Amino acid sequence: RKEVEQDPGPFNVPEGATVAFNCTYSNSASQSFFWYRQDCRKEPKLLMSVYSSGNEDGRFTAQLNRASQYISLLIRDSKLSDSATYLCVVNKPSGTYKYIFGTGTRLKVLA
Amino acid sequence: ETGVTQTPRHLVMGMTNKKSLKCEQHLGHNAMYWYKQSAKKPLELMFVYNFKEQTENNSVPSRFSPECPNSSHLFLHLHTLQPEDSALYLCASGTGVMGNEQFFGPGTRLTVL
Repeated sequence: RKEVEQDPGPFNVPEGATVAFNCTYSNSASQSFFWYRQDCRKEPKLLMSVYSSGNEDGRFTAQLNRASQYISLLIRDSKLSDSATYLCVVNKPSGTYKYIFGTGTRLKVLA
Repeated sequence: ETGVTQTPRHLVMGMTNKKSLKCEQHLGHNAMYWYKQSAKKPLELMFVYNFKEQTENNSVPSRFSPECPNSSHLFLHLHTLQPEDSALYLCASGTGVMGNEQFFGPGTRLTVL
C-alpha cells in the first residue's frame, strides 16, 4: 500500500460546482496533514493545513478522519482559477521530521 | 528578496558535466529539503538538513551531492548524471517543527542529455 494515495483524476467540473477529493494514508501515527496546490510547471504552495476538528477557509473545507485514515478537501463554487493539481501531504513519523506527498489530484474547472 | 529562491531555473547538461543547483531561503527557517519531481510521480524527498546537519538521505545515488554551509543556503552538486535524472528539482524550507508547513522555491528544471 502506498504511504499516501490519491485519485489522480482529472476531475472535470463546471464553474460553480462543488468538488471533493479524498486522500488515504497508511501510517496511523501520522500527525500533520496538509493540502498543497500545484499549478502546471510551478512549485507547490500551501493551500491549508488539516486539523482534527476540520477547518474551513472561504470556499475550501478540509476534514481529517483518523479512524479511517483519510483526509478530504471540499471546494465549493468552483472557479476557473481553481484548476490545478491538489497534493495531499502527510508527515512521516520518524527520527527526522519529513513529509510524504501524494501524486496529486488534477482538477479542471470548465467555463 | 523574500521566500525561497532557486538558481538556475533551467539547466541543460551532458552526462559528463558537473553543475550545481543553489537554494536560498529568507524565512529564518532551520530545516531545508531537496525534492525531485518527475512526470506523473509524486514528489520524492532526497535530502533533509536541520541546523546545517544532514538528517536524511533517502537512498539518493552518489552522483547527487548536497551541501548546506548554513541554515539559509543549500546546494545540490551534480556529476555524471543520467537522462532519467531529468526532472524538476525543488528546494523547500521549514521550521522543522511538527505541524508547520514547508515553503517551496520555484524549482530548477533539469534536462540531462
